[in-house]
Amino acid sequence: GESVGLHLPTLSVQEGDNSIINCAYSNSASDYFIWYKQESGKGPQFIIDIRSNMDKRQGQRVTVLLNKTVKHLSLQIAATQPGDSAVYFCAAPRISGSRLTFGEGTQLTVNP
Amino acid sequence: DTEVTQTPKHLVMGMTNKKSLKCEQHMGHRAMYWYKQKAKKPPELMFVYSYEKLSINESVPSRFSPECPNSSLLNLHLHALQPEDSALYLCASSRIRGRGTGELFFGEGSRLTVL
Repeated sequence: GESVGLHLPTLSVQEGDNSIINCAYSNSASDYFIWYKQESGKGPQFIIDIRSNMDKRQGQRVTVLLNKTVKHLSLQIAATQPGDSAVYFCAAPRISGSRLTFGEGTQLTVNP
Repeated sequence: DTEVTQTPKHLVMGMTNKKSLKCEQHMGHRAMYWYKQKAKKPPELMFVYSYEKLSINESVPSRFSPECPNSSLLNLHLHALQPEDSALYLCASSRIRGRGTGELFFGEGSRLTVL
């Protein structure tokens, strides 16, 4: 089955720096990945997604990179702000499109 | 503000109580989900409804009973819960796509404490 995991449970950065959050997956057949942000006391919020026919996708201040060779994806946040402090989850559908499996999450802390 | 509304935000119940969690969305989504999230853990899928019919039950104990009265509402009925069922229960909705669910819209959750 699908396994989605993150490399580091916590990440601390200075305000204004760039942040990189990593995620590894086990199923080479996975063709769709999503990043979610969960702030304290709130539900997860969609950030960006990427399909396996792409290596890179950019959003507003965020970029997701997908390396299918090593089954790794990353979320890059440019000019990190205090409002970016949250837990970040990568997720991928498992078995069927409706079974979205979340990785363990990385707690990002932005220091002023 | 989230477009998925969950009530109540907090619920404390005894092991013999019967209670319900409610979820509502008006985005026209025909897929709705219940997830369970323990502290410092990722959300875990419990149930999926597609077109108001239960399509996925992730081997959830029968003390949790989902219900989808219409395309906008999703309930989770709780009966004879255990203290280990204490968690944040998240409702989500999405469009139904041919392949992959795409973006899930989550509510803010109902935090359940079972005494």
